Amino acid sequence: DAGVTQSPTHLIKTRGQQVTLRCSPKSGHDTVSWYQQALGQGPQFIFQYYEEEERQRGNFPDRFSGHQFPNYSSELNVNALLLGDSALYLCASSEMGGGEETQYFGPGTRLLVL
Amino acid sequence: KQEVTQIPAALSVPEGENLVLNCSFTDSAIYNLQWFRQDPGKGLTSLLLIQSSQREQTSGRLNASLDKSSGRSTLYIAASQPGDSATYLCAISGGSYIPTFGRGTSLIVHP
Repeated sequence: DAGVTQSPTHLIKTRGQQVTLRCSPKSGHDTVSWYQQALGQGPQFIFQYYEEEERQRGNFPDRFSGHQFPNYSSELNVNALLLGDSALYLCASSEMGGGEETQYFGPGTRLLVL
Repeated sequence: KQEVTQIPAALSVPEGENLVLNCSFTDSAIYNLQWFRQDPGKGLTSLLLIQSSQREQTSGRLNASLDKSSGRSTLYIAASQPGDSATYLCAISGGSYIPTFGRGTSLIVHP
């Protein structure tokens, strides 16, 4: 079992550009959540996807959008990048509906916006 | 809005000490509480998950307790080792609010 995987591991973009981050959940998991972690802070919840729909959303602007595919993998898209979007982006998977509630995290994607 | 606070923010102890990390939350209507470990620049590793109906969970040298009425959880680490050095985070999940993390406790265990 490969666990939760994320790609790419590192990314450098300039202000105004768009970025797409990818996540594959742990085998058997159907729910994917995305988090943003700034340096020295705890992760901040962006949104959660289940059954290809956004189920919950944190306090993030519409520039942050996502998608979940039929195989449960997910993408996080960020448009019009700002310097403040520089952070570690973490993906977590779990199983909805009374299954495995423990969240398993991937290694993250480090995004630097210049 | 749920708020999660972790105290202390940083801790440095000699190897072999037993230690307690604290996590407090403002709304007791939680679904579960999860403790994580994070090594520098890495993702999070799940340590223990406590359901709202449970009072504690144990795994090896780790024991986590939950007291919903007082809005507190503690993570007890027995016989600390240098390999335990990391940031420890607690996270609350609840039905009506988004998953919420504390800022973490940075632990250094020196030989």
